[in-house]
Formats: sequence, C-alpha cells, structure tokens
Amino acid sequence: SQQGEEDPQALSIQEGENATMNCSYKTSINNLQWYRQNSGRGLVHLILIRSNEREKHSGRLRVTLDTSKKSSSLLITASRAADTASYFCARGPYSGAGSYQLTFGKGTKLSVIP
Amino acid sequence: DTEVTQTPKHLVMGMTNKKSLKCEQHMGHRAMYWYKQKAKKPPELMFVYSYEKLSINESVPSRFSPECPNSSLLNLHLHALQPEDSALYLCASSPGDRSTDTQYFGPGTRLTVL
Repeated sequence: SQQGEEDPQALSIQEGENATMNCSYKTSINNLQWYRQNSGRGLVHLILIRSNEREKHSGRLRVTLDTSKKSSSLLITASRAADTASYFCARGPYSGAGSYQLTFGKGTKLSVIP
Repeated sequence: DTEVTQTPKHLVMGMTNKKSLKCEQHMGHRAMYWYKQKAKKPPELMFVYSYEKLSINESVPSRFSPECPNSSLLNLHLHALQPEDSALYLCASSPGDRSTDTQYFGPGTRLTVL
C-alpha cells in the first residue's frame, strides 16, 4: 500500500498547547500536502510543501519535510477548540492531463479541550 | 467562487434502487475526482476525470458509474449497491493545468445502503 503512516492516531491536548502530527511515506515525492477534515465533512487544504523545501509556515501552522527520512510533521501552535478535527497528509503522482492521484495517510484525530 | 458543492447531503437507498450523486464546481477546474471514505479511514480515490474524460478508474465495481457531462459537473450513478458501500462520498476538483496539485473538496454525500 502507498498509504503513509501518521502518528499519533489520536491526540488530545488543552487549548493553548501545541500539537504535533507526523507523517511517513514510502515512495519518493514531488510535494506533500496536509488537509484537515472536520467530523464527517469535506477536506480542507492546509498547506503544501515541495520536495526541495525543508520548512513552511502558514499562520499557526508549521510543516517540515525530511526527504531523507521520508517523513513530514505538522505543528499547530497555540491550539484552539476549533482546531479539533482529523488531519491527513497526502501525496501522489501526476496522473496525466493535469490531474493528480492523491493517496492519503491514515490521519491523526486531534481533540483540543477548551 | 472557491466552492465545490455536492447533493444530496444524505442518501438512504435500498440494494435495488438507482440513485445519483451530483458534484458541481465553478472554479474553471478541469480535473475532478470521486473519493470514498469509510468511517475512521482516509479517503480512497475512485475515479479521476481530466478535461471531461475518465483518466483513472481505481478498479471500482461497475455498480458505480461516473459521468462528467461538462467541465463543471460530475455525477456518480449508483445501482444495485451493497451495504458495505455505505460511506461518505467526496468530490474534489483541481485546476488541471499542473499549476498546483491542491484539490478542493466538497462537503460529501453520506450514503447508507440498506
């Protein structure tokens, strides 16, 4: 399977704390994306990091990528109750004609307690 | 307009019914996708359409039949489904010009097969 592993599978923290989620993958990548999914709803794209980048920031999000270890991490700083969601990493090859065949990791379910 | 819409939000059907799921986007995207997501699992790619042509079918059973009538619309026709097909069905789109492989997701259709 090309699915990556994410850990932890579940994470519960207090509001204001930082949350770190990790993603490992097996095949080489051009880039890696992180998505958020609120309970039973659609996915929202958070951030994309390219294979030649090591770190990227977007607001309270910080993503790192280590291609030698085939791993990435997502850090959410100063968490809020609204950050409660499942977080997935995703990567995939170009599948032709402008489309991409995304494969998602197993996800981390984050609970932020007010 | 950066929204992907899906109808219906919920669908309950019997194993002998025929129903359709609808997805629409007005972002000018030329790649559209169907994913299936079982509870507590990541989304799994079913079909990819690029420029209204089916480019990827991930060995999906023939009881699922996709259709792309135009560049804004994507349908998924359902016939003779099994209870194990109950899941959240997600539609997504992407530009289709290799500018980005970020995908934009709809809120999903929660399907229950009795």
